[in-house]
Amino acid sequence: AQKVTQAQTEISVVEKEDVTLDCVYETRDTTYYLFWYKQPPSGELVFLIRRNSFDEQNEISGRYSWNFQKSTSSFNFTITASQVVDSAVYFCALTLQGGSEKLVFGKGTKLTVNP
Amino acid sequence: DAGVIQSPRHEVTEMGQEVTLRCKPISGHNSLFWYRQTMMRGLELLIYFNNNVPIDDSGMPEDRFSAKMPNASFSTLKIQPSEPRDSAVYFCASSLDRDLGYTFGSGTRLTVV
Repeated sequence: AQKVTQAQTEISVVEKEDVTLDCVYETRDTTYYLFWYKQPPSGELVFLIRRNSFDEQNEISGRYSWNFQKSTSSFNFTITASQVVDSAVYFCALTLQGGSEKLVFGKGTKLTVNP
Repeated sequence: DAGVIQSPRHEVTEMGQEVTLRCKPISGHNSLFWYRQTMMRGLELLIYFNNNVPIDDSGMPEDRFSAKMPNASFSTLKIQPSEPRDSAVYFCASSLDRDLGYTFGSGTRLTVV
């Protein structure tokens, strides 16, 4: 069975601080896909990134960056120079193969960025 | 592309009543997922369909819950009879086999009083 663990339930930072959200996953399969979603206070789930198990390159998108390490089964998410608009719940998720397979979500990390 | 459309956005009902949640997936997507989000349990998969066929309904809480997908453009999640513990946000998502994007609807916030 697949499992995603986000050990940080809540994180609070001051604006402009860097913050890293941790994600650890479990699967016995060699082919899998990892995702991050953002859920702002308005409630919708917003897709941020998708990464497959064969691509361990780190990715940077503006202030966001992701560090994928198969050796530690981790897919961590860093926000650089955080802003108040980054306040949201962030979910890490895992699926085994193509889009026909279910997404297994972690419990989420609530990030609060204070001005 | 209108995205995944869920209705209603909010539903308040009395315990014992039947509730039907609706979802229209993105045209061309062949997989559809129903998730429930609560504070205690987070985001949990209830059921998913592939090519209109239910593949995994192990997450459906009990017999009071049922889901159908009569065609590729419509799905329903029905709760009968509803109970206060069913209060949650219910999300529908769709995806396409060849494309690993999962698109979520805006959710239906259900309150059972």
